[in-house]
Order: sequence, then C-alpha cells, then structure tokens
Amino acid sequence: NAGVTQTPKFQVLKTGQSMTLQCAQDMNHNSMYWYRQDPGMGLRLIYYSASEGTTDKGEVPNGYNVSRLNKREFSLRLESAAPSQTSVYFCASSQGQGWSSYEQYFGPGTRLTVT
Amino acid sequence: DAKTTQPNSMESNEEEPVHLPCNHSTISGTDYIHWYRQLPSQGPEYVIHGLTSNVNNRMASLAIAEDRKSSTLILHRATLRDAAVYYCIRRGGTGGFKTIFGAGTRLFVKA
Repeated sequence: NAGVTQTPKFQVLKTGQSMTLQCAQDMNHNSMYWYRQDPGMGLRLIYYSASEGTTDKGEVPNGYNVSRLNKREFSLRLESAAPSQTSVYFCASSQGQGWSSYEQYFGPGTRLTVT
Repeated sequence: DAKTTQPNSMESNEEEPVHLPCNHSTISGTDYIHWYRQLPSQGPEYVIHGLTSNVNNRMASLAIAEDRKSSTLILHRATLRDAAVYYCIRRGGTGGFKTIFGAGTRLFVKA
C-alpha cells in the first residue's frame, strides 16, 4: 500500500515550457487535491476533484489545468511555465463523501523550479 | 474568512507536554477542526480532527472549547521527532473543499 505517489520528485523547466505532474493513490479515495507551497508559507489549494469525473478550482488555479483520469489518478498540467510557479507541489487524497470529516493523505511532493 | 490564527512558533523541552493553541472565532457549526503537521522536506501528515468533543488518538489529543472558537492540540510528551510545523485547519461549511492552510506554528523541541 503505497498511499499517494507523485512523479517526478524534482523538475527544472525553462520559462514557457510545459509539463504534467502525475499523482496516483491506491486507497480507493473519492477526492483528490493539488496544492502548492512556496518557501516559508502554508499550502494553497490549486484544484480539487471531489469525485471521479469532476474538477473544481481552488484558491490559486490560474496557469494550471487538471485531469482526473480515473479514480486513482489526478494530474496537474502547466501549459506555459512561469518563474512564479516555482514551488513545491503536493497531491493529496481523502475518502470524500462527508468529506469534511475525513483526513487528507499527502504525497511526498514535487519540487519544481522554473528559470 | 476560513483562516485560523496560530502563534508563529513555540518551543518545548523534550519529554514535556506541549499545548499548541488555535483560534477560529468565525467557525460555523458544520466546520470540523483538523490538525496536520509537516516535517522538514515532507508532505503534511494528518494528526487529529474533531467537531465538538475532545478527541484522543495515538499521536495527540484535541481539546475544543465549548463555544468552538478555539482549540488546543496537546502532545503529551514531546520528542525531537515532533519538531515540525503544525497547521490548524477548518474544513466544511462555507469553506467547502477549499481547505485553507495558514502559516502554522513551528514547534522547536529542545533535548
């Protein structure tokens, strides 16, 4: 049982390049989330997927797109990377359905640098 | 505002109890209070959550004020491994899925 896995662990992009961050969970959770964390700050929600087939914007969605590929996988795409997107990206999942009472499980993070 | 208020940092001695406070004065009746912690270079880790009653688990205890405007995370015996940033979060109600993480409290544990 691996929990929440993220790939890649590290990535360096040039401004304007695109990339997709992958996330998968093996806990049969309904809900999945993408956060970013800038140095010395708390996490900010980018997008979330309450259940398979649905996605919604979080606090800071601009510059990102997401795909809930199936129940296990939730990807985050940067179409044209900017230096302001340099951050650590965390994926999380939770059981959902009465979601507010369920804890979130986080992946190890992807450290992205945009030059 | 769905944010909570926590002290920026706290210090504790090893083997002593630690009480981490959190203010959530605008909490609604359906909001749960969650605590997470984040060790250096890791993703956040769930600690405990509750709605109205005090809660205990193997990691910690959560004491919720009767008016629910504040809560306290209690680590019964701090260890060096408990040094982390602790986040107090409201989930539910008007916040919906948009869980708001503040800056948290950085806990320093002295040997």
